[in-house]
Amino acid sequence: AAGVIQSPRHLIKEKRETATLKCYPIPRHDTVYWYQQGPGQDPQFLISFYEKMQSDKGSIPDRFSAQQFSDYHSELNMSSLELGDSALYFCASSSDYSGGYTFGSGTRLTVV
Amino acid sequence: SQQGEEDPQALSIQEGENATMNCSYKTSINNLQWYRQNSGRGLVHLILIRSNEREKHSGRLRVTLDTSKKSSSLLITASRAADTASYFCATDYMEYGNKLVFGAGTILRVKS
Repeated sequence: AAGVIQSPRHLIKEKRETATLKCYPIPRHDTVYWYQQGPGQDPQFLISFYEKMQSDKGSIPDRFSAQQFSDYHSELNMSSLELGDSALYFCASSSDYSGGYTFGSGTRLTVV
Repeated sequence: SQQGEEDPQALSIQEGENATMNCSYKTSINNLQWYRQNSGRGLVHLILIRSNEREKHSGRLRVTLDTSKKSSSLLITASRAADTASYFCATDYMEYGNKLVFGAGTILRVKS
């Protein structure tokens, strides 16, 4: 069965650079979520989209932005990267409000 | 953690023993989910229990939910070395829309 696909799996960037993470949700899932998990931390919600519109926003820095495209894939754009942005970034998708989230394998971002 | 407490923070047991992890949360929920994460890897969905359910089983996993105490427990029976991982509970809060709020996680080590 198709899962949530994230790319790239690993990304190394220098400080002040820009990074773009991509997420391809499960087909027919209408909601996409982005989470950030720092080393030894629990995942923290960043932002979500429902039917291509932003539906909720968490602790996402102003340097980060995200959008969902017409094909339902989503991109998380991070600018002016800081060392503290080094983390695992997960995308998840769901089909309705009754649960059933599926997470991608994550993108490990390392800022040097 | 945005959500509450998970205990214990770390648990070390012998293979074959049972492992119990607890999770508490703060407000009314739609459902509660348990996830497993191997070191630095993706989040794997284990089980979802809805707010109107009290107990659920899946293989060697047993989850209970006590909404009056706002707590849940995950029991892994007859543990195996391969169960070594971090275990997170995550809640889908009614008032926060549908994003998941994660607990701090329990690190389980099963010694063979």
